[in-house]
Amino acid sequence: GAVVSQHPSRVICKSGTSVKIECRSLDFQATTMFWYRQFPKQSLMLMATSNEGSKATYEQGVEKDKFLINHASLTLSTLTVTSAHPEDSSFYICSARGPGQGGYGYTFGSGTRLTVV
Amino acid sequence: DAKTTQPPSMDCAEGRAANLPCNHSTISGNEYVYWYRQIHSQGPQYIIHGLKNNETNEMASLIITEDRKSSTLILPHATLRDTAVYYCIVRVDSGGSNYKLTFGKGTLLTVNP
Repeated sequence: GAVVSQHPSRVICKSGTSVKIECRSLDFQATTMFWYRQFPKQSLMLMATSNEGSKATYEQGVEKDKFLINHASLTLSTLTVTSAHPEDSSFYICSARGPGQGGYGYTFGSGTRLTVV
Repeated sequence: DAKTTQPPSMDCAEGRAANLPCNHSTISGNEYVYWYRQIHSQGPQYIIHGLKNNETNEMASLIITEDRKSSTLILPHATLRDTAVYYCIVRVDSGGSNYKLTFGKGTLLTVNP
């Protein structure tokens, strides 16, 4: 089945620094990738949708200059949290979808726990 | 996409069937019902989806009422590993890659020994 690898699984960074999270589709071409954020005891909130080779579409209220998304290839998308602050501490999850995957073809990564200190 | 309503939490004894309800009274004719689950600190996992017929796979069964306004996910023999938050999502199966999944609050199913 389709597999999405997300790296790192956990990261701790200092306030003011930037952190990059990678999301890779291992056995299919991901034409579209989605980035979610999840705070403790809350549901997943969609941050942005990215298509390979084009700019990401951000959900309302998500700062595009703070959360940089790059989808440069059909198997890799990255989310960079710039100038991270403690309030950016959260669980970040990517999801990928590609042609031929059918209606249920949203495959999720295992998530990245970001802690900003 | 139609809105869904799920109970916030449910308990189930290990080995018994877990029946998780979902209300989607405003569902449209071309909208599918999807179920995902999220085990603590992991990414969501696809379980099953359906349009109007009941569906079964190796993980679960999905029962959709005739009027399609509600559905039930059935885990036939729940194990402790099935403890998770279960999300019922309704959306159009447009086939387009851009179509996003919107998650509600889901149901926390706790399977007890």
